[in-house]
Amino acid sequence: SQTIHQWPATLVQPVGSPLSLECTVEGTSNPNLYWYRQAAGRGLQLLFYSVGIGQISSEVPQNLSASRPQDRQFILSSKKLLLSDSGFYLCASRRDRDSPLHFGNGTRLTVT
Amino acid sequence: QQPVQSPQAVILREGEDAVINCSSSKALYSVHWYRQKHGEAPVFLMILLKGGEQKGHEKISASFNEKKQQSSLYLTASQLSYSGTYFCGTELAGAGSYQLTFGKGTKLSVIP
Repeated sequence: SQTIHQWPATLVQPVGSPLSLECTVEGTSNPNLYWYRQAAGRGLQLLFYSVGIGQISSEVPQNLSASRPQDRQFILSSKKLLLSDSGFYLCASRRDRDSPLHFGNGTRLTVT
Repeated sequence: QQPVQSPQAVILREGEDAVINCSSSKALYSVHWYRQKHGEAPVFLMILLKGGEQKGHEKISASFNEKKQQSSLYLTASQLSYSGTYFCGTELAGAGSYQLTFGKGTKLSVIP
């Protein structure tokens, strides 16, 4: 089964600072990878997904970007954080379209 | 294309049953169901891939009506541990669609 490593668990960053969240997956190769964001008390917003190395699809235009430098590594970045970037960031992975999507434990980001 | 969930919230006494619905305006390839406890990542419950499919997991089961693009999650003889927010995630039919989009969630509260 897959194991999804996501860190840090919590992060407090000032407005205008950069961001880098990393997610790594064990137990499968060439997974479909996803970044979701959840505002407090809200639903899961799909930010980016990737079906292979270097292949990134963006769902929401914003000041965030994603990269997949290795097969099982997915990185979420920002050059300058906004207050509205605060939220619970979740990395998720699945083997293929017919498989369940599994989530990492998430990073709770507070932009001050 | 975000699926629509109903109801938004439901309160049950232990032992009562509940149904949560998820619908889409477009043809679906799959429906995923998750439960999220406060402050935690969503946990996978089940995935439904084919029309008319029904799956079960202990006292939780689900159906998927492909023709109506609808899925329902059935919780029977509810337990306190069933409390949380339930999300359905949908993937549209068609080649190359890897987006997994979630509904706004249904908050379920089970009371003694």
